Amino acid sequence: SQQGEEDPQALSIQEGENATMNCSYKTSINNLQWYRQNSGRGLVHLILIRSNEREKHSGRLRVTLDTSKKSSSLLITASRAADTASYFCATDASQAGTALIFGKGTTLSVSS
Amino acid sequence: DGGITQSPKYLFRKEGQNVTLSCEQNLNHDAMYWYRQDPGQGLRLIYYSQIVNDFQKGDIAEGYSVSREKKESFPLTVTSAQKNPTAFYLCASSMDRGPYNSPLHFGNGTRLTVT
Repeated sequence: SQQGEEDPQALSIQEGENATMNCSYKTSINNLQWYRQNSGRGLVHLILIRSNEREKHSGRLRVTLDTSKKSSSLLITASRAADTASYFCATDASQAGTALIFGKGTTLSVSS
Repeated sequence: DGGITQSPKYLFRKEGQNVTLSCEQNLNHDAMYWYRQDPGQGLRLIYYSQIVNDFQKGDIAEGYSVSREKKESFPLTVTSAQKNPTAFYLCASSMDRGPYNSPLHFGNGTRLTVT
């Protein structure tokens, strides 16, 4: 069962530009998390936003959450080539148990 | 350094053979998870364990088995009953017994190829 769906599937930008990725989900959540995956590696946790929060910042990352629309966005400002990776949102889908459910991800390519 | 170790990084097996993927963590986390990732796809949950000697099936548990005899270890066996075992397997752990408010820490995966 796929809870979160990211959009777009792929995104190509130049260094210095901002990158915005969106995530939509289907059922109510306790929290939503964003992860990053470099090619052939494990995922790395970026940021967690709780259902009662609307916005959260961490360095060049800004995450917003709109529970009325069941959607979240991840903004990476002033992108660098090192930001090239796949980005996944994950939700806890509380009705299904206690394991996170991941979307299919957005593949970001930042060219210098 | 604390973390999760998955071994081996690459694994090749013949069809019909069972194979066990190792996952060890030294983070003192209660919960551990196994996910499967296929090319261009998200992660699908195979099994998870919130406490020693207990585990639950995820969305795609058929053809897989696990054990949790020690807090730090959660091996995954891919049996011959798994129809399409070739994939990238990721192990993760979290501090709490459910990830409601704690992030997952991932290993670097095992890429299994079955021919």
